[in-house]
Amino acid sequence: AQSVTQLGSHVSVSEGALVLLRCNYSSSVPPYLFWYVQYPNQGLQLLLKYTSAATLVKGINGFEAEFKKSETSFHLTKPSAHMSDAAEYFCAVSEGAVTGNQFYFGTGTSLTVIP
Amino acid sequence: AAGVIQSPRHLIKEKRETATLKCYPIPRHDTVYWYQQGPGQDPQFLISFYEKMQSDKGSIPDRFSAQQFSDYHSELNMSSLELGDSALYFCASSWGQGGEQYFGPGTRLTVT
Repeated sequence: AQSVTQLGSHVSVSEGALVLLRCNYSSSVPPYLFWYVQYPNQGLQLLLKYTSAATLVKGINGFEAEFKKSETSFHLTKPSAHMSDAAEYFCAVSEGAVTGNQFYFGTGTSLTVIP
Repeated sequence: AAGVIQSPRHLIKEKRETATLKCYPIPRHDTVYWYQQGPGQDPQFLISFYEKMQSDKGSIPDRFSAQQFSDYHSELNMSSLELGDSALYFCASSWGQGGEQYFGPGTRLTVT
């Protein structure tokens, strides 16, 4: 069975500070992992994805995430927060065609950036 | 590049009414997924279709049904609407069942 745990439903950082959003997963097969960002009243926008290639994945808007199999983690980071980063962030796991490719989402982390 | 199209973007219905949500996948994508995101909740998988056949089923209520048509677009039919059905409904599409999913902008359904 697949599941995703996002630690911290709300994270606040100062503008220019490091952003760290945590995601741990469980999967019975090598997973595909994703981070999505959702702005108020908008859809899901893909930030980055891990699909068994490089373990350090770079995404859009300066975000990156590192897949650590030993820790079953896929934490999202950004060196310097910008006001425009304030949004809801979802981590998702999929096992691909093995189990129908449906996504399992974490409960989300709301990021607040303090000026 | 063409993206996933969902219509309508907003829909207001009363309790016990029916609603139909449409999803047009990216051209050449043959797989469609439906998700429901309640207020303050994470998206929950409802159902998926591959090559016009249902491929997987999640937490979709019996009052809901869906299908994928010959042109690969999909429709989610919702009957006997309840207040709790108010949510953002996402459609995603992929090429093949293991392909990367691309999400549409969602349809916001409000049941009053």
